[in-house]
Amino acid sequence: GAGVSQSPSNKVTEKGKDVELRCDPISGHTALYWYRQRLGQGLEFLIYFQGNSAPDKSGLPSDRFSAERTGESVSTLTIQRTQQEDSAVYLCASSPLTRTIFGQPQHFGDGTRLSIL
Amino acid sequence: GENVEQHPSTLSVQEGDSAVIKCTYSDSASNYFPWYKQELGKGPQLIIDIRSNVGEKKDQRIAVTLNKTAKHFSLHITETQPEDSAVYFCAAIYTGGFKTIFGAGTRLFVKA
Repeated sequence: GAGVSQSPSNKVTEKGKDVELRCDPISGHTALYWYRQRLGQGLEFLIYFQGNSAPDKSGLPSDRFSAERTGESVSTLTIQRTQQEDSAVYLCASSPLTRTIFGQPQHFGDGTRLSIL
Repeated sequence: GENVEQHPSTLSVQEGDSAVIKCTYSDSASNYFPWYKQELGKGPQLIIDIRSNVGEKKDQRIAVTLNKTAKHFSLHITETQPEDSAVYFCAAIYTGGFKTIFGAGTRLFVKA
C-alpha cells in the first residue's frame, strides 16, 4: 500500500503570504503528526491528532500556525503571514492504533520543503 | 519534561568498521524505542525498534540494546558500508502514549 504522501514537495513563496501544506496518511492510521525540520537540525514537534480526540497543539510556535484533520483522513497545516524563519522542511507522519501497552512507530512522508523569500 | 539525549552528533568511520550511537531518556515510563535513518531529501525511515520487555534485538548488521535501569539504549551497526551514511535519530515513547520524543540526531559518515 501507499505510504504517507505530502504535497507539495517544494513550495517557494514571498514573506507575508499564507501557505497550506497537505498530508495524506496511511489508510487506517489513527494518529497523525506534524514536525518542522530546519536545515541540518532535528525534528521539532508541532502538533498531533489521534482519532477524534482533541489535538495536542503544544508544539505550534505561534498563532500563525494551525492544522486541521477530519477524522482519520487528510490533514492540512496552514502558516499565515509567513516569515523567513518559517523556512524549513515540514514532515508529516502517521501511526496505527496500538493494541498493546507498547507504542507504535511513525511512518514519515518525504516532507514539504518550504522556502520564504 | 520528557527528554532524549543522543551522542555523538557526528560520527565518522572507515568502511567495514562498527558504529555505535547512544541515547539516554528521562521518562522511566517509556517502553518503546524506535531508531530512524534519514537520507538526504527524504523523511526518516524506521530501521529497528525495541520494546522495554527485551534487552537486545538484532537485524542483520544492525542491533539495538536497552538498559532500563540506566535508561540508556544504543544502536550498533557492524561492517559499515558507504550507503549507511545518513542521519540517525533515536526516539522514546512512553507507555500508552502516542507522543514520541526524538533525539537530536547523529550524522554518520562512512568513508570508503
